This record gives sequence, C-alpha cells and structure tokens, in this order.
Amino acid sequence: IAGITQAPTSQILAAGRRMTLRCTQDMRHNAMYWYRQDLGLGLRLIHYSNTAGTTGKGEVPDGYSVSRANTDDFPLTLASAVPSQTSVYFCASRTYAGSGQPQHFGDGTRLSIL
Amino acid sequence: DQQVKQNSPSLSVQEGRISILNCDYTNSMFDYFLWYKKYPAEGPTFLISISSIKDKNEDGRFTVFLNKSAKHLSLHIVPSQPGDSAVYFCAASGDNNNDMRFGAGTRLTVKP
Repeated sequence: IAGITQAPTSQILAAGRRMTLRCTQDMRHNAMYWYRQDLGLGLRLIHYSNTAGTTGKGEVPDGYSVSRANTDDFPLTLASAVPSQTSVYFCASRTYAGSGQPQHFGDGTRLSIL
Repeated sequence: DQQVKQNSPSLSVQEGRISILNCDYTNSMFDYFLWYKKYPAEGPTFLISISSIKDKNEDGRFTVFLNKSAKHLSLHIVPSQPGDSAVYFCAASGDNNNDMRFGAGTRLTVKP
C-alpha cells in the first residue's frame, strides 16, 4: 500500500542524546514536511523540503535538522534532545508545494525526552 | 501567534444530526483552506478543501463554508455518523506555500 512510513512508532530518550526520526514515502512526491503536534497547539511545521536536495525552515526549527538526499527519504534529527521536544512528530508529503495541494501524513512518532 | 484558531476543543452530537465545526483565521493572505480528520494513533487524513475564490464546497456529507469578510470557515457534516468521531483540524495556506498553519483541533463525538 502506497504511503508514508515513519519509524520508530515511539521512543523514550534521555535528554542530551541524539535521535533521528525516519520518514519514507513511496508516492514519488516532491514535497515533504515534518510537524510536531502538541496539545492545544495543533500541528506546527518544523522543516520542509520542496524537492530532493533542498530544505527549508518552518515555524519551529530550532533544535532540529533535516536532509533530503533523495525523493523518498526525509529524516529528522535532534542533535541533543531536550524535554521540550517531547511531542508527537508527523511526517507528511504532497505532490508539489502548491497551496491547494493536500498533504499525506504518516502515523507519527511519539517521542518522550526524560 | 496562532493564525488559525479552533475555539471549541470538543463537540458532541447525536447520530443523524448535523455537526458544525468552526475555524477562525487572522491572516488575510491565506488563500486555501483545508480540513483534516484524525483518528487516534493515526496521522491526519485530508477531508475537504476550499479556495478563497469560493464560499462553499461540497463533497457528499461534508460541506465547507468560507466567509472571507469574517475570516471564518466551518465544516458541516450531515448526517453525522459514529464513524465520524475523530479530531478535526482546520488548516490554511497562503502565498508562502510551505507555511500551512493548523488549528488546535476539535474532537467530535457522534453518539449512536
């Protein structure tokens, strides 16, 4: 079934550790996104990539980095995790970065930083 | 700075009745609005959208209304079904295509 796969599903991490959240899509979508979902705040954009080889900062990029070496993969890295990064992280993609284009989401990674 | 607001955290309706979910926005540059539905332990799924050049878009039981002067949109579900029970997110995007803003979500419960 075509879609977006995120790994791991959940993770408990000690503060200060490095962590990479994986995201792979098989729909050949050009644009990919990382969001975090926090209670009362909805989904906030962390980083995006309009096409392979390019990335950009979203609304809340501090403490996170991304790379887009190919079309399918868009990993999100926390270089040194802090408790405020405890959240549910969603990866999304869409055909291209156009305002009318809906995004397809993965099922999320629940991350707890202790 | 929440540019998209869903002021009702939850809504409960009876099966067969209408569900109305509301969303307000502050940025007049938004030109496309989308509704997503989210079940527990799953990612959001796209439901319906509307361009700012329209004031209504209908898809089966789902209709979205846009009032640009009031910066308000609403999602109507008629008739509501128990399977519609989920969290609904309103989202808006504008000239910066990467900056889609989401509301905090409204949890809809449809009682049999």
